[in-house]
Amino acid sequence: GAVVSQHPSWVICKSGTSVKIECRSLDFQATTMFWYRQFPKQSLMLMATSNEGSKATYEQGVEKDKFLINHASLTLSTLTVTSAHPEDSSFYICSARDVQGLNYEQYFGPGTRLTVT
Amino acid sequence: QKEVEQNSGPLSVPEGAIASLNCTYSDRGSQSFFWYRQYSGKSPELIMSIYSNGDKEDGRFTAQLNKASQYVSLLIRDSQPSDSATYLCAVNKAGGFKTIFGAGTRLFVKA
Repeated sequence: GAVVSQHPSWVICKSGTSVKIECRSLDFQATTMFWYRQFPKQSLMLMATSNEGSKATYEQGVEKDKFLINHASLTLSTLTVTSAHPEDSSFYICSARDVQGLNYEQYFGPGTRLTVT
Repeated sequence: QKEVEQNSGPLSVPEGAIASLNCTYSDRGSQSFFWYRQYSGKSPELIMSIYSNGDKEDGRFTAQLNKASQYVSLLIRDSQPSDSATYLCAVNKAGGFKTIFGAGTRLFVKA
């Protein structure tokens, strides 16, 4: 149980275009989903927290107009990187928290590797 | 002071030895504690969670929690080369909304 999927697993796009990444909880409902970014050999960096049906909460320094997050249902959240630039190239990982879980465990998706050329 | 602190390592142990990974946290009201394993190029995987003081064992893994000392540890017995990864300590703050991750400790198990 507690499986989270992400799509696509990797994507290459041209500078200036937008990319959408999907995160799905496959066998549980997630009240809260989290989006992280990780550069090579660096720590996880929380970008934003999204709750189903409400606006995402962004961490300091993360541009909400550039990284659009939609949590449309209890099983789906999307991250859209708008007007992507080479510096946005990174490993993007989502995680989800079970709505039934009182223990706050987070389950991670496999990640999406974004390369902007 | 970081909210969750871990020694970045690398920690190197020989195959078959016990690997001991440590973590301290600053929020005394924290209630939930987790260990994640992250292989290079992959996303983190939850391997242990602990909520009360003492030890919790799962196979070769033992998590230890001491809330008075604000200290969490992970012991890996009979370490294998496949255990070589970065281990992330995570703490759910009081109130439960946010989980704070440490920067991780890199573990190398030498065959």
